[in-house]
Amino acid sequence: EAGVAQSPRYKIIEKRQSVAFWCNPISGHATLYWYQQILGQGPKLLIQFQNNGVVDDSQLPKDRFSAERLKGVDSTLKIQPAKLEDSAVYLCASSETGGAAFFGQGTRLTVV
Amino acid sequence: GDSVTQMEGPVTLSEEAFLTINCTYTATGYPSLFWYVQYPGEGLQLLLKATKADDKGSNKGFEATYRKETTSFHLEKGSVQVSDSAVYFCALISFGNEKLTFGTGTRLTIIP
Repeated sequence: EAGVAQSPRYKIIEKRQSVAFWCNPISGHATLYWYQQILGQGPKLLIQFQNNGVVDDSQLPKDRFSAERLKGVDSTLKIQPAKLEDSAVYLCASSETGGAAFFGQGTRLTVV
Repeated sequence: GDSVTQMEGPVTLSEEAFLTINCTYTATGYPSLFWYVQYPGEGLQLLLKATKADDKGSNKGFEATYRKETTSFHLEKGSVQVSDSAVYFCALISFGNEKLTFGTGTRLTIIP
């Protein structure tokens, strides 16, 4: 069974630039999560989708971050404009409703 | 709201030592409980899970028992190996809100 796919694996951008991350969840998984993991910390939930609807985006900095999940499958997370403090690993995960989440390898973002 | 509290790290043990990493939780509803592991430079991997009281999850020699009376899900292993060096995260999903909540993680280092 294919796992959660994320791209790119690494990205370096200058502050105030924009960046986008892509996630393809496990086939059939209705729930999709985006997490931000700053070095040395636990994952912080940014947004959670159930199919193509948003369940929780309370910790998403909406002035600069946006996410969408068209057709309830793939998802894109965008940052515009990026700040230095956005440097982190961005993790995508998917699950069957109420089930264990399976994570992708993550995208390591460095903002310089 | 839901929360997970893990024992403070880092934890350093000698090979073949007994491991316990404490995890307690607060949740509305009746959660499912998980342990995830993150090896250096990799994404999070599901290690084990338990979905109801007194369930024991186990994998790769690790075990954790869902204790509703003490709201705990402590991770144990009888004899650790150098390859177990990683960061371990306790997590829960509450029935109803489907939000995956993580603890802060415990870094484990095993010395030969």
